[in-house]
Amino acid sequence: GQQVMQIPQYQHVQEGEDFTTYCNSSTTLSNIQWYKQRPGGHPVFLIQLVKSGEVKKQKRLTFQFGEAKKNSSLHITATQTTDVGTYFCAERTGGKLIFGQGTELSVKP
Amino acid sequence: SAVISQKPSRDICQRGTSLTIQCQVDSQVTMMFWYRQQPGQSLTLIATANQGSEATYESGFVIDKFPISRPNLTFSTLTVSNMSPEDSSIYLCSVGTGTDYGYTFGSGTRLTVV
Repeated sequence: GQQVMQIPQYQHVQEGEDFTTYCNSSTTLSNIQWYKQRPGGHPVFLIQLVKSGEVKKQKRLTFQFGEAKKNSSLHITATQTTDVGTYFCAERTGGKLIFGQGTELSVKP
Repeated sequence: SAVISQKPSRDICQRGTSLTIQCQVDSQVTMMFWYRQQPGQSLTLIATANQGSEATYESGFVIDKFPISRPNLTFSTLTVSNMSPEDSSIYLCSVGTGTDYGYTFGSGTRLTVV
C-alpha cells in the first residue's frame, strides 16, 4: 500500500543550527500532515498541507509541499532545546492517517 | 479540537492474559482509530472503530487478537488478548476533527508483557 518514506531517521544538531526532515512518496499525495512527538509523549498535530507548492510557516518552522505533491519538508531555523522530539509526516487517506517513519531530533545545548 | 482521556496510562501484564484499554472523547466522533507504536518506531494503524458496526482491521491485525468495542460515539475500547512479550508497545487511540484539521491522540498506554 501507500507508504511515505521519511529521512533522516535521526538528526543530532547543536543548538542554533538548522534542521530539515523530508518525506517522499512514489505516488501523488492528497495531503500531508506533520506531527511532533516529544519524548514520552503522544503525537501533536502541527500543520496540514494540501496544495501543490504550498508553503506554510509557524514561527521558526517552515513546511513545504512539493509541486508534484510527492514530497514534503519541515525546516526548523535556529533549533532550540524545546524542539527535541520525533517529527512525523502522515498522509490522511480514506479517513485514516498513514505515518512516515519519523525523524528523531536531538539538540545539544 | 477534541480531548481524549485514555487509560490505563501504563501496565505490566503477565503473558497469556488480556488488557483492555479505554478511550473517552469529549465530543461525538464518527471514527476512532487505534495505533500501536513499538519502541523507537513509527505509529502503525491497528484498526478503525465505527459506532454500530464491526471495526475495520489493517493488514496484519485480527479481531481475535485485538477485539474492539465502540458502544457509542464518544467511547471505544481495545483489548490486547493472550499477550506475549512481542505485544509490549505503546497503544494510542486517535480521532479526526474535520478535514482541515489534524488528528488528536490520547496520551497512550505503555504496555509491558512479562
